[in-house]
Amino acid sequence: GEQVEQLPSSLIVQEGASVLINCSYTDSASVYFPWYKQEPGKRLQFIIDIRSNMERKQTQRLTLLFDKKTKHLSLHITATQPGDSAIYFCSARDQGGRALIFGTGTTVSVSP
Amino acid sequence: GGIITQTPKFLIGQEGQKLTLKCQQNFNHDTMYWYRQDSGKGLRLIYYSITENDLQKGDLSEGYDASREKKSSFSLTVTSAQKNEMAVFLCASSIGDQNTLYFGAGTRLSVL
Repeated sequence: GEQVEQLPSSLIVQEGASVLINCSYTDSASVYFPWYKQEPGKRLQFIIDIRSNMERKQTQRLTLLFDKKTKHLSLHITATQPGDSAIYFCSARDQGGRALIFGTGTTVSVSP
Repeated sequence: GGIITQTPKFLIGQEGQKLTLKCQQNFNHDTMYWYRQDSGKGLRLIYYSITENDLQKGDLSEGYDASREKKSSFSLTVTSAQKNEMAVFLCASSIGDQNTLYFGAGTRLSVL
């Protein structure tokens, strides 16, 4: 079945700097890739998604890039703020799949 | 807006004990999910259900049972708790199986 990997597992960044999180998946049939964020003590929440017919999606300070050939995604967060400190999860679902397969998560710590 | 409520928030069990976790949602969502979150391993799918009385196994279903007797509720049973087991169990729901997942706050399990 599908497997989703994320790198790095954790990172520390100075407030205002940018962050890059990489994600790779194994199943070429996967077509939908949402990302979720889990702030300390809070519930996981959806932040951005992309479908396999797109290469790039941007919303506010988040940019999500998708490369179908290499089965790779990357999430870029610009102008980081303390509220960006969280665990970020990449996930994938195939056309016929009914549940998301999540990656191992990337813990981002933004220092003031 | 709706909410997903998981009970209990904390669960302490003994080795070999059968333990039940409950999840209720008032979104009127069709699909509900149980994921297990372990540090460094991300979220792993245990069971999901696309409608009342439906059950679908995830990759981690061994050692667990689930029940979806009503559209609004989805329960998970740990059939025999493993000594020193510690994990967070997350319930989620979505409209159908193709949309954003909404998560509960989680049940933290410790087994003595």
